[in-house]
Amino acid sequence: EAGVAQSPRYKIIEKRQSVAFWCNPISGHATLYWYQQILGQGPKLLIQFQNNGVVDDSQLPKDRFSAERLKGVDSTLKIQPAKLEDSAVYLCASSFSGLAGGEQYFGPGTRLTVT
Amino acid sequence: AQTVTQSQPEMSVQEAETVTLSCTYDTSESDYYLFWYKQPPSRQMILVIRQEAYKQQNATENRFSVNFQKAAKSFSLKISDSQLGDAAMYFCAYRSADSGYALNFGKGTSLLVTP
Repeated sequence: EAGVAQSPRYKIIEKRQSVAFWCNPISGHATLYWYQQILGQGPKLLIQFQNNGVVDDSQLPKDRFSAERLKGVDSTLKIQPAKLEDSAVYLCASSFSGLAGGEQYFGPGTRLTVT
Repeated sequence: AQTVTQSQPEMSVQEAETVTLSCTYDTSESDYYLFWYKQPPSRQMILVIRQEAYKQQNATENRFSVNFQKAAKSFSLKISDSQLGDAAMYFCAYRSADSGYALNFGKGTSLLVTP
């Protein structure tokens, strides 16, 4: 079974530029999560999708971050314009269902550096 | 809001010895799930062990076991017969059984295993 795929693995941009990250969850997984992991901290949820609907985006900085999950499969997370404090690893995870006990499977992450 | 606290930024253990990583959490909910994740330098988050709050029996997975003290809101991870491959960041995480279902992580503990 293929795992969660993310691309790119690394990205370096200048502040005020835009960037997009892509995530392909495990086949059949209805729930998809984007987490932001700043160096030295644990991951923090940015947004959660159930199929192609948003379940929770309360911690997503909506003035600069956007995310979509068209057709309930792949997802894209965009930052525009980027700030220095956006430097972090962006992790995508998926689970078969959104139930509390459902295991989340994580992708390898995208490391973003904003200069 | 639920908070997860890992008070040990770094821990060290010799190969074949036993080490315990600490985690405390704060919640007003009675039903929830607790997890320990391992994150090696490759950044891939790997589930180590999970515990359902309604279960009194402590979870075990081969060399990994937990000490779950619900009244004290404590959830420690014990690694027995430590191996070099156990070296990684370890994150304690909380997940509500009622809403959201996203993981709420602690700041992590860096485990060093020495030969």
